[in-house]
Amino acid sequence: QKEVEQNSGPLSVPEGAIASLNCTYSDRGSQSFFWYRQYSGKSPELIMSIYSNGDKEDGRFTAQLNKASQYVSLLIRDSQPSDSATYLCAVNTRGQTSYDKVIFGPGTSLSVIP
Amino acid sequence: GAVVSQHPSWVICKSGTSVKIECRSLDFQATTMFWYRQFPKQSLMLMATSNEGSKATYEQGVEKDKFLINHASLTLSTLTVTSAHPEDSSFYICSAKRQEISNQPQHFGDGTRLSIL
Repeated sequence: QKEVEQNSGPLSVPEGAIASLNCTYSDRGSQSFFWYRQYSGKSPELIMSIYSNGDKEDGRFTAQLNKASQYVSLLIRDSQPSDSATYLCAVNTRGQTSYDKVIFGPGTSLSVIP
Repeated sequence: GAVVSQHPSWVICKSGTSVKIECRSLDFQATTMFWYRQFPKQSLMLMATSNEGSKATYEQGVEKDKFLINHASLTLSTLTVTSAHPEDSSFYICSAKRQEISNQPQHFGDGTRLSIL
């Protein structure tokens, strides 16, 4: 069974600090990695996608990927109370005919304290 | 704006009722759509992959006869929860991605909260 693992948290950071979210995955064939944010009672919304080793920055968000270590992370700089949510790591894995099935980690609950 | 539309948002019904949930891709064609279920405080669990013009692929442990999936067009997939019972109460979410672009992320509908009394 292919797996995606995350620390469930809750992770608490003060406003303005850097929040660091981590994720590991088991399928070495995975090529696409996504971070979603999910507010309570809502569906997930895409924050970042990353496909190559290294860092990818988008505003206050930086995704980091290390395929050799099967590790992907998300950094949130200058954390704001509105960033308080559950962050889901998602990884593509092999479906019936292709690698377009996406499985999600359990999510990390982030709380940004004003 | 939203690229995947899911309807209805809320359903409350009696035990034994069958409930249909629709998922539409709004401005792109999706030969594949995905159905997830999420219980409170838990992550999204993939139930099945909906394939346009062919049978859905169900994940292990998901009852095919209980959760009927139809993907009759390139923009519409439906999930029918047949003879629903209280244990089927959950948050059901569909997703789709632009098939013509590889490695694209999935876009999610707003979800359907199903409550069976």
